[in-house]
Amino acid sequence: AQKITQTQPGMFVQEKEAVTLDCTYDTSDQSYGLFWYKQPSSGEMIFLIYQGSYDEQNATEGRYSLNFQKARKSANLVISASQLGDSAMYFCAMRERGGSYIPTFGRGTSLIVHP
Amino acid sequence: NAGVMQNPRHLVRRRGQEARLRCSPMKGHSHVYWYRQLPEEGLKFMVYLQKENIIDESGMPKERFSAEFPKEGPSILRIQQVVRGDSAAYFCASSPYQDTGELFFGEGSRLTVL
Repeated sequence: AQKITQTQPGMFVQEKEAVTLDCTYDTSDQSYGLFWYKQPSSGEMIFLIYQGSYDEQNATEGRYSLNFQKARKSANLVISASQLGDSAMYFCAMRERGGSYIPTFGRGTSLIVHP
Repeated sequence: NAGVMQNPRHLVRRRGQEARLRCSPMKGHSHVYWYRQLPEEGLKFMVYLQKENIIDESGMPKERFSAEFPKEGPSILRIQQVVRGDSAAYFCASSPYQDTGELFFGEGSRLTVL
């Protein structure tokens, strides 16, 4: 079974609009961490945002926020005021005790921002 | 505080040669993870190491691939007798603890097998 599911292979958004990238996860652990990474065409993995399972507030980092719905096991990334430089692949990932804390990644979502 | 350093950034090998990829984790990090990314795909876990120990190699092909993380020096992912299917980006990541916290990535090593 997939631990991390990203159902949107590709997304398009107009510059300056907000966009939500979906991520659902599967774990029976109470303690786990959720991450989003950005991979531009240059190839590096850029850390964007982190949410711990016990964090009561949704994580925010500048224009990035994580919409954490624990009961639904979803951890969607919201990018506000999209910029052309946001065009990239976005990966959701999780670390959990049941997985020996080895980070597991989704298949990614390709985001294209149109001018 | 330097980040995770990987080298070489790009490596070209002919079929049958050996490839060695190096990863120096962030200072103070003793947990290293190697991932492989094939074109147009996500990251696949290969191996998890701590200093001088392989903790989990469940994602590593049984033949031709090996990894180490010696007491001194970088972690090394070694691919013997490379084949075209080994062409991929290989990423190393490190973390200070074995827990649910943040993982820091290197810029990756891109292997091309001719």
